[in-house]
Amino acid sequence: AQSVSQHNHHVILSEAASLELGCNYSYGGTVNLFWYVQYPGQHLQLLLKYFSGDPLVKGIKGFEAEFIKSKFSFNLRKPSVQWSDTAEYFCAVMGSGGGADGLTFGKGTHLIIQP
Amino acid sequence: GAGVSQSPSNKVTEKGKDVELRCDPISGHTALYWYRQSLGQGLEFLIYFQGNSAPDKSGLPSDRFSAERTGGSVSTLTIQRTQQEDSAVYLCASSLAGGLSEQYFGPGTRLTVT
Repeated sequence: AQSVSQHNHHVILSEAASLELGCNYSYGGTVNLFWYVQYPGQHLQLLLKYFSGDPLVKGIKGFEAEFIKSKFSFNLRKPSVQWSDTAEYFCAVMGSGGGADGLTFGKGTHLIIQP
Repeated sequence: GAGVSQSPSNKVTEKGKDVELRCDPISGHTALYWYRQSLGQGLEFLIYFQGNSAPDKSGLPSDRFSAERTGGSVSTLTIQRTQQEDSAVYLCASSLAGGLSEQYFGPGTRLTVT
């Protein structure tokens, strides 16, 4: 069975600070990794994804994530956060079973950016 | 274009009653997913449809939960004899072709069982 662990449940930062949200996964086979974001009052939306190739992936709104296979990690980063980045962030994995097992999500990190 | 829509947006029901939640996926999306978001469990995958077929129903929490999809479009999630632990936000997502296709999420139905 696959699982995802997000280390920080709540993070508070000031604008312009750098961000790194931790994500570790457990899965025995080929893994596909995602970060989703849920802004206040909005739907879950995809930030970025990694399937294969370059382990450093870039997503929307200046976010990036690095897949480190040896550490089973897929941490999310942003060099300089903005107040509008306040949201809930979810790391997720999907196995190579064709999607029939859906996404397995971490518990989420609630990020608050103070102006 | 229109995104995934869900109805109702909020539902309050008494323990023991049945409820039906509806999901309208994005037109042309063959895959449809149901998830549940609750404080204690986070986001849990419930069931996946490819067309009208759900190959694996083992993610449904109990036999009080059932789901169907008709015409390769609308899906309903039915909870019979609701319990307080069923209180959660039920999210639906659709994707163009399943697999690794991007899943687009709806706004959810917030279910409260009193």
